[in-house]
Amino acid sequence: DAGVIQSPRHEVTEMGQEVTLRCKPISGHNSLFWYRQTMMRGLELLIYFNNNVPIDDSGMPEDRFSAKMPNASFSTLKIQPSEPRDSAVYFCASSFETDTQYFGPGTRLTVL
Amino acid sequence: AQKVTQAQTEISVVEKEDVTLDCVYETRDTTYYLFWYKQPPSGELVFLIRRNSFDEQNEISGRYSWNFQKSTSSFNFTITASQVVDSAVYFCALSGGGYQKVTFGTGTKLQVIP
Repeated sequence: DAGVIQSPRHEVTEMGQEVTLRCKPISGHNSLFWYRQTMMRGLELLIYFNNNVPIDDSGMPEDRFSAKMPNASFSTLKIQPSEPRDSAVYFCASSFETDTQYFGPGTRLTVL
Repeated sequence: AQKVTQAQTEISVVEKEDVTLDCVYETRDTTYYLFWYKQPPSGELVFLIRRNSFDEQNEISGRYSWNFQKSTSSFNFTITASQVVDSAVYFCALSGGGYQKVTFGTGTKLQVIP
């Protein structure tokens, strides 16, 4: 079975550019999570969707960050404009309801 | 508020040694779940185990074992006869009943030396 799929795996961009990260959850899972991992702050939950609806976005750092889930098999996390402090590994995870979350391989974002 | 403490930042052991990774948690929920995840050098987060608060039985899976003690709010992870492939960062995590954020510990970096 395919796990959580994320693209791209690596992204290097310049400050001010728009960045879009993509995630395909495990088929049948109805909960989707976006996390950010940095050395300084560890793993932080950014946003949580349930049945395609954003339930908790209290972790989204600021208005430059936005996330969408147009259907059960696709979600995006967009940063516009990007800043160097956004450099991190961004993970997408999915679960069925509140069961165990399974993580994707992550996207390593570098903003120059 | 929920909290997970992994006091061991880094541990180094020689291959074939046993090693225990400590995890202490705080929660006011009576129903909660505890997890361990492994993050190898390649970077992905790999799910290892999930336990609910009503099941204090220890669990063994191959060389891995977990000791859950509600009396001390601990959920420790032991690797028996460690191998180089066990080198990774290990995260303990906690979530409450219903939807609550999963709270991750800061991780313990395990290095197994050949």
